[in-house]
Amino acid sequence: TQLLEQSPQFLSIQEGENLTVYCNSSSVFSSLQWYRQEPGEGPVLLVTVVTGGEVKKLKRLTFQFGDARKDSSLHITAAQPGDTGLYLCAGEPTRGGATNKLIFGTGTLLAVQP
Amino acid sequence: DAGITQSPRYKITETGRQVTLMCHQTWSHSYMFWYRQDLGHGLRLIYYSAAADITDKGEVPDGYVVSRSKTENFPLTLESATRSQTSVYFCASSDWGSRNEQFFGPGTRLTVL
Repeated sequence: TQLLEQSPQFLSIQEGENLTVYCNSSSVFSSLQWYRQEPGEGPVLLVTVVTGGEVKKLKRLTFQFGDARKDSSLHITAAQPGDTGLYLCAGEPTRGGATNKLIFGTGTLLAVQP
Repeated sequence: DAGITQSPRYKITETGRQVTLMCHQTWSHSYMFWYRQDLGHGLRLIYYSAAADITDKGEVPDGYVVSRSKTENFPLTLESATRSQTSVYFCASSDWGSRNEQFFGPGTRLTVL
């Protein structure tokens, strides 16, 4: 069974600080996605990383896929209150077959205080 | 409007009643999914569908029924609601060959009294 664990589970920081969220597994994934979920809404896709070692940037957010495609990180520079939300990583299983299912991580709840 | 919609957004029902949650997507995506989200459990897959008339169980299917007679609709029915089914339910869709990227609806908050 492929599992994804995120750390930390909760993070409360001040506006302007930097932070990193980790998504780890003992299994290899074909690709990995990051979603952000705001209160009262569904998760929204932020990025998909496919190649081991790949780095993608989305404004102040930097996403990295581990070389072995077993882990990923999300780094936020100069966090703003608008970054507040639940961050979820999700992996495309290597043995998923034709289901399009995802393995979701446990989530990191981020609160950025003004 | 294009996208994925869910109705109702909020529902309160009583134990034992049948409840149907609706999901509609306008992208003609092949795959559709139902999740429930609870504190401490994250997103758990209830049922999914690869195409019209093709459905399969996910991680927590007991007490739920789905159907998919049309590509764009994927209703979820709680046959006899229980308090443990109080949750927030999300529908999602995904296209073939899209790296399984999923697009979520706004959710339905269901309370079973």
